[in-house]
Amino acid sequence: DQQVKQNSPSLSVQEGRISILNCDYTNSMFDYFLWYKKYPAEGPTFLISISSIKDKNEDGRFTVFLNKSAKHLSLHIVPSQPGDSAVYFCAATFPGGSEKLVFGKGTKLTVNP
Amino acid sequence: NAGVTQTPKFQVLKTGQSMTLQCAQDMNHEYMSWYRQDPGMGLRLIHYSVGAGITDQGEVPNGYNVSRSTTEDFPLRLLSAAPSQTSVYFCASRSGTSGTGELFFGEGSRLTVL
Repeated sequence: DQQVKQNSPSLSVQEGRISILNCDYTNSMFDYFLWYKKYPAEGPTFLISISSIKDKNEDGRFTVFLNKSAKHLSLHIVPSQPGDSAVYFCAATFPGGSEKLVFGKGTKLTVNP
Repeated sequence: NAGVTQTPKFQVLKTGQSMTLQCAQDMNHEYMSWYRQDPGMGLRLIHYSVGAGITDQGEVPNGYNVSRSTTEDFPLRLLSAAPSQTSVYFCASRSGTSGTGELFFGEGSRLTVL
């Protein structure tokens, strides 16, 4: 039973345009959601997070939106750059800084020059 | 600033062999964990530790053993390797005071079991 779902395995956008990566979850107990970015042959790196009590968090070109009623979050990258090409993982955690971070399967983003 | 260091980066084993993947962190993080990444499966938690002497199972613990004798080190042992354990393994750590669950990952260890 997959609790965090990224239904799009891949996404391709043009440089300068907006990239929107989507994530759905099933467990309403999650209280923090995180996005990680992973380049080939490297470990994932933390990108941005959002608390379940908020609906938006912004950090430079990256914005995460949370819709709790729909159990849906999205990561917006504006403007997209070729260096953003990577696999993006959505993850969620339970209250208390849980030891168990639950990951989605990832979406491979390709930004074309 | 080394962060999380994993060794070896690559390893080929024969079925039935044993080995240990090493993980060390220099950030004095209480929490450490091991994940495996398989194509189309995302990252799945194998084992984790909330402090020296304390370990627990994650989602896919079978075939793996861990111990945590120091804050810095969290080795992952494969007792009798199987082809199903061919994967990329990531060690991660975080501060115990991190309420967001943000993890710091190593660069990964790619294991092939023949």
